[in-house]
Amino acid sequence: ELKVEQNPLFLSMQEGKNYTIYCNYSTTSDRLYWYRQDPGKSLESLFVLLSNGAVKQEGRLMASLDTKARLSTLHITAAVHDLSATYFCAVVEPSGSRLTFGEGTQLTVNP
Amino acid sequence: GAGVSQSPRYKVAKRGQDVALRCDPISGHVSLFWYQQALGQGPEFLTYFQNEAQLDKSGLPSDRFFAERPEGSVSTLKIQRTQQEDSAVYLCASSPWGYVGTEAFFGQGTRLTVV
Repeated sequence: ELKVEQNPLFLSMQEGKNYTIYCNYSTTSDRLYWYRQDPGKSLESLFVLLSNGAVKQEGRLMASLDTKARLSTLHITAAVHDLSATYFCAVVEPSGSRLTFGEGTQLTVNP
Repeated sequence: GAGVSQSPRYKVAKRGQDVALRCDPISGHVSLFWYQQALGQGPEFLTYFQNEAQLDKSGLPSDRFFAERPEGSVSTLKIQRTQQEDSAVYLCASSPWGYVGTEAFFGQGTRLTVV
């Protein structure tokens, strides 16, 4: 059974600071997603990482994937309040028919 | 519409009542997924359709849960004899391919509260 673990689960940071969210998964997968969820809203796709060493950046967020270590990171640079949300990583199971999600990281960026 | 549409957005059901949740995927999308998201948790897989075929229903928590997609487009998730533990947000997602692929588009969800 595929397990996906994120840490930290809660993150409170000041504006302007940098931080990294980690996502570990237990079995081989060739696709990993990062989603953002605002309270009461659905999931917004941020990144899809398809191969070992993949790195994608959008604004203040950068995601990377190490398939050998079964680890993805979401790095936040110079955080701003608008980034406050819950961030989920999700891994595609080998069958391709489902995503398994981590528990989510609730990020709060304080002025 | 351009995105995945779910209705109703909110549903309050009395314990023991049956409910039906609807999902309109993006037109032409082959795959459709249902997920259950409990408060403060990540979404958990319920079931997967490829066109009208339900290829994976291993995530359905009990035989009170039933999903269908008879014409390969709109899908309905039915929960019979609702229990308090069924209270959650039910998310629907669709994908253009016959698998999760490089993108799965999520709807806004239906928040079910069982009282």
